[in-house]
Amino acid sequence: GDSVTQMEGPVTLSEEAFLTINCTYTATGYPSLFWYVQYPGEGLQLLLKATKADDKGSNKGFEATYRKETTSFHLEKGSVQVSDSAVYFCALSAQDSSYKLIFGSGTRLLVRP
Amino acid sequence: DGGITQSPKYLFRKEGQNVTLSCEQNLNHDAMYWYRQDPGQGLRLIYYSQIVNDFQKGDIAEGYSVSREKKESFPLTVTSAQKNPTAFYLCASSISLGRNSPLHFGNGTRLTVT
Repeated sequence: GDSVTQMEGPVTLSEEAFLTINCTYTATGYPSLFWYVQYPGEGLQLLLKATKADDKGSNKGFEATYRKETTSFHLEKGSVQVSDSAVYFCALSAQDSSYKLIFGSGTRLLVRP
Repeated sequence: DGGITQSPKYLFRKEGQNVTLSCEQNLNHDAMYWYRQDPGQGLRLIYYSQIVNDFQKGDIAEGYSVSREKKESFPLTVTSAQKNPTAFYLCASSISLGRNSPLHFGNGTRLTVT
């Protein structure tokens, strides 16, 4: 079945460091791909999305490119801030499914001043 | 401000009691969802609703029930049949039941059953 695999956390970085959080997926066809962010004690917020191969989603300095050949959607940011500390979820919506988001297990990011 | 309101933020119940979690949205979204989040795991879909008076089971519906009598409201009842009810519950909505329609989430209800 369809699935999403994320790198295990926590990821601990110093402020202004470069961030990569790896995400790979298994799905038939061309799923839509998403990154959601969850701040402490809150629900999830959509960070960015990509709906077809080679699309790049970007928002708030974060970006991710839909790579069909490697079935990946890695999240990157050039310079992280303390306020970026949160849990990041990669998710997919399969081409043949109109309703279900399949989430990865989440990666906690901790940014130290 | 438009958004999704879940209440209460924290809920405590004794084992064997049913409990209802509230979810209200003023985004005028047709589709609504309930997810369960456990530590170190992704979200798992409990129930979803495409439209008023219609709802479907998700991946882990056993021990839960829902209703959708109004567009704005999608309450979730955790029954005594749910074997492991302690978790963080998230309600979400989207414009429609489409794969490119992003989900908007509430801030969640943390349920503890002892």
